Amino acid sequence: GEDVEQSLFLSVREGDSSVINCTYTDSSSTYLYWYKQEPGAGLQLLTYIFSNMDMKQDQRLTVLLNKKDKHLSLRIADTQTGDSAIYFCAERRYSSASKIIFGSGTRLSIRP
Amino acid sequence: EAQVTQNPRYLITVTGKKLTVTCSQNMNHEYMSWYRQDPGLGLRQIYYSMNVEVTDKGDVPEGYKVSRKEKRNFPLILESPSPNQTSLYFCASSLGQGLSYEQYFGPGTRLTVT
Repeated sequence: GEDVEQSLFLSVREGDSSVINCTYTDSSSTYLYWYKQEPGAGLQLLTYIFSNMDMKQDQRLTVLLNKKDKHLSLRIADTQTGDSAIYFCAERRYSSASKIIFGSGTRLSIRP
Repeated sequence: EAQVTQNPRYLITVTGKKLTVTCSQNMNHEYMSWYRQDPGLGLRQIYYSMNVEVTDKGDVPEGYKVSRKEKRNFPLILESPSPNQTSLYFCASSLGQGLSYEQYFGPGTRLTVT
């Protein structure tokens, strides 16, 4: 199928690391994205990884890609209250570059 | 400021009353797209356009129309809205449709059809 799957909720303590997981189904996926949606706002691209990479790091964000298991994760170090949002995993396939397939989103909440 | 704008941001309407949600981008992007966001389903693509006068169906096009007469505008038309079209709608644009092009999203339009 076409599914990109994520768990719906994640709660972490402020200052801890958050790890948001995603699985996808199409091995031809070439670009994999993480988007952030804050309340009342549109989606903002956080980071992306090309499928020939295993890891990408950008400040507090680390993306890990396991192509064999079709598993993508986003790690946010030192999670802050401003990180509260919905995080969407998305894939773009070589075979249909005109569309991006989104997961259902993971709502990250931060507790003090 | 580079941006994608949508209007209106909120709309409550009744079944069958035609409506249009406008989308405009000021980045000279060729590719534009409409999505709907529903709880637990993520974003699903409704229609997309690769350039002026070039549009195509996405995953959930039923009940919607679009047009692309100018590069900057990509309105979404609901000829006869129904309650199952109650949703949050996002317009997006990118420089091209290639894999590396980032999509920029508008702020969203929350539509309620009673």
